[in-house]
Amino acid sequence: NAGVTQTPKFQVLKTGQSMTLQCAQDMNHEYMSWYRQDPGMGLRLIHYSVGAGITDQGEVPNGYNVSRSTTEDFPLRLLSAAPSQTSVYFCASRGSQGPQMNTEAFFGQGTRLTVV
Amino acid sequence: QQQVKQSPQSLIVQKGGISIINCAYENTAFDYFPWYQQFPGKGPALLIAIRPDVSEKKEGRFTISFNKSAKQFSLHIMDSQPGDSATYFCAASRGRTGFQKLVFGTGTRLLVSP
Repeated sequence: NAGVTQTPKFQVLKTGQSMTLQCAQDMNHEYMSWYRQDPGMGLRLIHYSVGAGITDQGEVPNGYNVSRSTTEDFPLRLLSAAPSQTSVYFCASRGSQGPQMNTEAFFGQGTRLTVV
Repeated sequence: QQQVKQSPQSLIVQKGGISIINCAYENTAFDYFPWYQQFPGKGPALLIAIRPDVSEKKEGRFTISFNKSAKQFSLHIMDSQPGDSATYFCAASRGRTGFQKLVFGTGTRLLVSP
């Protein structure tokens, strides 16, 4: 199935642990993003990438790292998990031309992360 | 700082009725306004979007109304169905080139009763 694939779907971490959330897309999209979704706060942009080797910070980047070595993959790393990072994380992708460049066209199904 | 304010937080509508969700924005530089639909356990799905050069856009039972002078836009779901029960998010972005960052509203949980 074409689209954005996120793994894992659920994860429980202890405070201080590190982990990587995986995201892959098979649509050859240049733009990829990571969001977190918290109750009553909508979605907030963590990091984004406009192509392989190019990443930038979003609204809430602290505590997270990203890299983009290929067009297909955009992993999100939590360096030292904190309870404040308990959230649902979504990866998204969009093309870099035409109408779909204006907004997120495809979202993954999300990773529900709990930090205890 | 909430740049896009969405209301109501939750909404119950009877089957066949009209669901109306409102959003207001502050930044006049915003020039693209999408709406997303999200079912429990799923990612948001792009529903419909509008630019401020038109006052209304319709796709099937979904209509966006846009009031540039009031800096408000709304989603109307005509003939609401139980299958429309979901959380709806408005958003806004600006710019015509490069990566346009989205600002999301806080969401409206819609329940359509049978």
